[in-house]
Amino acid sequence: AQSVTQLDSQVPVFEEAPVELRCNYSSSVSVYLFWYVQYPNQGLQLLLKYLSGSTLVESINGFEAEFNKSQTSFHLRKPSVHISDTAEYFCAVSGSGTYKYIFGTGTRLKVLA
Amino acid sequence: EAGVTQFPSHSVIEKGQTVTLRCDPISGHDNLYWYRRVMGKEIKFLLHFVKESKQDESGMPNNRFLAERTGGTYSTLKVQPAELEDSGVYFCASSHSWGRDDSYEQYFGPGTRLTVT
Repeated sequence: AQSVTQLDSQVPVFEEAPVELRCNYSSSVSVYLFWYVQYPNQGLQLLLKYLSGSTLVESINGFEAEFNKSQTSFHLRKPSVHISDTAEYFCAVSGSGTYKYIFGTGTRLKVLA
Repeated sequence: EAGVTQFPSHSVIEKGQTVTLRCDPISGHDNLYWYRRVMGKEIKFLLHFVKESKQDESGMPNNRFLAERTGGTYSTLKVQPAELEDSGVYFCASSHSWGRDDSYEQYFGPGTRLTVT
């Protein structure tokens, strides 16, 4: 069975500092990996995804994630965060013949001025 | 294109009452999913429709939950009778037909916050 672990429930960081949100998954078959973001009072928005090809994927707002098969990780990084990045971030896995997502418990990123 | 919409945005009901949640997927999306997030926990899969057929309902908690998607367009999720533990945020998502490169990408609605008192 697939599972996703987001060890950090909350991550406070100062504006313009770098951040890494960790995501580890378990699966015995090929996976597709996603990061979704939920801003306050809004729905889930796709931030970036890994389906195949390059293991480093990037979003339009400066986030990137790297698929590491040997470490079964898909950590999310940003070199310099903004106040507007304050949100909850969810890692999800899909694949192996099923389209449903398995989510992690989410990480609340709070960017401090 | 319009996104996934859900109605109502909030619902407060008493234990034992019935509530029906509605989801309108993106037009043309054959796949429709329901998920639920209980406070402080992960978002959990409930079920998956392909057009009007239930493809996977392995996440439905019990028979108090009934999902329908008549005509393969919008979907409803009825909880009857509601219990305290049903409180949470119910998300709906949709995706394109299988076989496309973006079939695995799900578009989520804003969610319905259900509170059972």
